[in-house]
Amino acid sequence: AQSVTQPDARVTVSEGASLQLRCKYSYSGTPYLFWYVQYPRQGLQLLLKYYSGDPVVQGVNGFEAEFIKSNSSFHLRKASVHWSDSAVYFCAVSATSNNRIFFGDGTQLVVKP
Amino acid sequence: GPKVLQIPSHQIIDMGQMVTLNCDPVSNHLYFYWYKQILGQQMEFLVNFYNGKVMEKSKLFKDQFSVERPDGSYFTLKIQPTALEDSAVYFCASSRTAETLYFGSGTRLTVL
Repeated sequence: AQSVTQPDARVTVSEGASLQLRCKYSYSGTPYLFWYVQYPRQGLQLLLKYYSGDPVVQGVNGFEAEFIKSNSSFHLRKASVHWSDSAVYFCAVSATSNNRIFFGDGTQLVVKP
Repeated sequence: GPKVLQIPSHQIIDMGQMVTLNCDPVSNHLYFYWYKQILGQQMEFLVNFYNGKVMEKSKLFKDQFSVERPDGSYFTLKIQPTALEDSAVYFCASSRTAETLYFGSGTRLTVL
């Protein structure tokens, strides 16, 4: 079965600084990988997804993520964060053979002004 | 982007009562999901639904839970009877291809 680990429960960065949110997955096949963002009192919104091809995928609002198969990782990055990026970020994985998506525990991002 | 609507946004009921959570999925989507989130924690899968049938359900999907989508209308989650531990935010999601899920804003259920 698939699983996702987000080792950092909370990350605090200053506005304008670069960001990396870590995600490692467990799945024996080729995974579908996602990053979702959840703003307070809202549902999850898709930031980006990876199925195949270029391992660096671009998402909305300047976010990108890199699929590194050898490391089973799919870290999220942003070159310069804005205070409005403060939210909870969820990494997720699904298999091509079923329809179930597994989420990590989420990382709360706090951007200080 | 595509919008999934959930009605109501909040629901408060007494333990033992029945509750129905409604989800209006994206119009051309065929796959439907319910997730449960407690106190901003992990999103936990409950059930997915396709072509009028439950495809997969987790151990959190107790016997008191049921889902249906009668005649292409709302996709509903019914809990009967409710228990205190059912208090959570329930998120509906839909997908056209079962690859990318679009989530609603959630229904916060409080069981007293």
